[in-house]
Amino acid sequence: NAGVIQTPRHKVTGKGQEATLWCEPISGHSAVFWYRQTIVQGLEFLTYFRNQAPIDDSGMPKERFSAQMPNQSHSTLKIQSTQPQDSAVYLCASSLASGTGGAYNYAEQFFGPGTRLTVL
Amino acid sequence: QQKVQQSPESLIVPEGGMASLNCTFSDRNSQYFWWYRQHSGEGPKALMSIFSNGDKKEGRFTAHLNKASLYVSLHIKDSQPSDSALYFCAVPQVVGQLTFGSGTRLQVYA
Repeated sequence: NAGVIQTPRHKVTGKGQEATLWCEPISGHSAVFWYRQTIVQGLEFLTYFRNQAPIDDSGMPKERFSAQMPNQSHSTLKIQSTQPQDSAVYLCASSLASGTGGAYNYAEQFFGPGTRLTVL
Repeated sequence: QQKVQQSPESLIVPEGGMASLNCTFSDRNSQYFWWYRQHSGEGPKALMSIFSNGDKKEGRFTAHLNKASLYVSLHIKDSQPSDSALYFCAVPQVVGQLTFGSGTRLQVYA
């Protein structure tokens, strides 16, 4: 099992350019999460898919960020018109859909290595 | 909104020593708690979870939970240089996303 795969590992964009980040979850996992990690803000939730359907995007900056999950084997996070403040490590995680208590919310999340985005 | 705070920010212990990490949370309805560890250049990896008050031991790691005091801790016995990493307390929210604390950076020196 290769674990969660994220590509690219590093991406450098100029201000105003678009960045697309890819995530391949662990086979059989039906929950996919995106997080962002910075020194100042720490680890922040962005968005969540379950069985490919968007469930919660409350952490997403509304105007320039979007995420899709077109099939069970990959998800993308797209940032339009990137700004220097978007520089961060973007982490994708996947989990099984069940956990203690029969709820989705307690299952262990398996993280990918992250994509380090640098906006110049 | 759930707030998770960790202390200390950083911790230096000698090889073979005990490391103690602390975490407080704000939502009294929280039921389940995770400790994650992140080595440099990698994503976080789950160490252990706890949901019952008291202690839970897994090898050299012991988690302690006191829901009434809104407190969870992690103790690492016989610390190794390979334990040097960033440690996060994480609390699952209603739809599954994790709220993370700010992290404790542990350094174990030989």
